[in-house]
Formats: sequence, structure tokens, C-alpha cells
Amino acid sequence: NAGVTQTPKFRILKIGQSMTLQCTQDMNHNYMYWYRQDPGMGLKLIYYSVGAGITDKGEVPNGYNVSRSTTEDFPLRLELAAPSQTSVYFCASSSPGEGYEQYFGPGTRLTVT
Amino acid sequence: AQSVTQLDSHVSVSEGTPVLLRCNYSSSYSPSLFWYVQHPNKGLQLLLKYTSAATLVKGINGFEAEFKKSETSFHLTKPSAHMSDAAEYFCVVSGSSNTGKLIFGQGTTLQVKP
Repeated sequence: NAGVTQTPKFRILKIGQSMTLQCTQDMNHNYMYWYRQDPGMGLKLIYYSVGAGITDKGEVPNGYNVSRSTTEDFPLRLELAAPSQTSVYFCASSSPGEGYEQYFGPGTRLTVT
Repeated sequence: AQSVTQLDSHVSVSEGTPVLLRCNYSSSYSPSLFWYVQHPNKGLQLLLKYTSAATLVKGINGFEAEFKKSETSFHLTKPSAHMSDAAEYFCVVSGSSNTGKLIFGQGTTLQVKP
């Protein structure tokens, strides 16, 4: 199993541009999550999904959108990028049958200038 | 509501000495608790988890944690620090059970001196 994979690893955006961060998991987990981690801080939940076709907002959803058309994929869309969205983005997945332990991807480091 | 507090933002130890990273939690029900480690510029890796079985939980790389309900604590320990243990450590508590959401502490930076 590859686990949770994220692309790209790094990206630089100009203010106002848009992009999609990709996340894929091959563990057949129903639950998936997007977090952002700012320097020296913990993780903040952006959006989450409990299954294909079901998504919901987390703690900091403004400026982001998600979709979940398949169990495996959970892309995060940034519209009109702003410097405040400069961060490291982590995708994770979990399953109730595994005690909700979340498996994390390697992260995407995004800089908006 | 669930919450977690890591009592130290930075801990410094010498190589070969014990490690103690402190974590208190608040939960309205019996929670699941986790410790994750993040090495510089890396993703998060699970060290250990408590899910209402044995209160003393053993994890990877010699780490262990004890769930103390009376003290609402879940401190992480290791008898002897290694240079490779230098990293950021997150104490995490389960949130709502029907979403699998986790609540992260702010993190503790562990520095290991030679």
C-alpha cells in the first residue's frame, strides 16, 4: 500500500491564482481530512469527508473548497489565493474500524506571493 | 467539548536521559488519545494510541504513555533519549465519534543535546 499520497510537494502561487491540491489513499478508508499547518503551530482542520459525496467544513474553511466523488480521492481547491494561505497542507484518512487513527500524507508546501 | 493541552512548548534533554512530554485532555466521554511525531519537513507519524484497553500504552522507538483518567493526563515518556528523537510531538484527542475528527495540541518541540 502506498498509503496517503499528495501532489504536488511544493508550489508557489501568485496572489489571485487558483490551484488544486491532490490527495489519494489506497486503504479504502471512508473518512478523509484536510489540514493546514502554519509555522510553529498545530494542525487546523479545513474540510473533512465521511464518505463519497459527503463533505463538511472544519475549523478554517474560508478560501477553500473540496469534493469527494470517489472513496480514494479528496482534492482541495484554493480559489483566489491569498498570502494568508501560505502554509503546509496535510491530507489524512481514517477508518472507524481502526480506532480513528489518522494516516497522513507527506504534505504540500504552498507559498503565495 | 474535547480539548487537549500540551503543557510545554519546548523540552530540552541530553542524549541518554529520560524524556517526559506532558499532555492533559478534556473530554465529555471516554476518549481515544494519540501521540504523533513530526520530524522536520516531514509528515506526521503515529507513535502510539490509547483506545480504552490497557492504560499503559507502548509505542514505536521505545516511547510509552500512561492514560490517567483521574488526572486527565496522557504523558509521553521514554527512558533514554536518542538524537534521532529530536522532533515535534503532538498530543491528540478524538473528537466526535461519527466523524473521526481529531483535536490536536499545539505541539512540543523536543531538543536532544549531545
